[in-house]
Amino acid sequence: DAGVTQSPTHLIKTRGQQVTLRCSPKSGHDTVSWYQQALGQGPQFIFQYYEEEERQRGNFPDRFSGHQFPNYSSELNVNALLLGDSALYLCASSGRSDSNQPQHFGDGTRLSIL
Amino acid sequence: AQTVTQSQPEMSVQEAETVTLSCTYDTSENNYYLFWYKQPPSRQMILVIRQEAYKQQNATENRFSVNFQKAAKSFSLKISDSQLGDTAMYFCAFIPSMYSGGGADGLTFGKGTHLIIQP
Repeated sequence: DAGVTQSPTHLIKTRGQQVTLRCSPKSGHDTVSWYQQALGQGPQFIFQYYEEEERQRGNFPDRFSGHQFPNYSSELNVNALLLGDSALYLCASSGRSDSNQPQHFGDGTRLSIL
Repeated sequence: AQTVTQSQPEMSVQEAETVTLSCTYDTSENNYYLFWYKQPPSRQMILVIRQEAYKQQNATENRFSVNFQKAAKSFSLKISDSQLGDTAMYFCAFIPSMYSGGGADGLTFGKGTHLIIQP
């Protein structure tokens, strides 16, 4: 049973570019959340997708957008990249229908902005 | 808004010793869940233990146990018989219960405690 998978593992971009990160949830999960983890910090909630819609959003600008597909997989898009966007981006999945389920995390995508 | 505070940036103990990591939180929610996650250098966030706020009994998972004090908004993690493989960043996290009207919020994390187990 595959857990949460994320791609790519590592990505290098330059300022002003756009990036797309991908996430496949754990089997049986229908909800995907994205987090940004800066070096030496705890993860910060970006947004959550359920039923192909953004349900909740953290304190992140509109440059951060996402999408969820019918198979529950998700993408995180970041436009106009800034140096401060350099971070580990974590995807987590859960089953929204069961609030007792914890969020399961992928290995993350390390994004470096030059 | 919720906040989670971990006041110990780093801790170091000898193998086989017992160690306690501290966590306090602030919320106006009455129903919520608290978690401890472990993040080794491999960077995957691994769930260690979970506590539901409405349960009085402290959660236990093998060598890991919590001391949950709801009134004090405190949620510490005790690791017994520590092992070298316990070396990692440990994060305390909070999420409101979806049934409390808190919605589908994401987890709120503390800044983490770097735990080092010395041989």
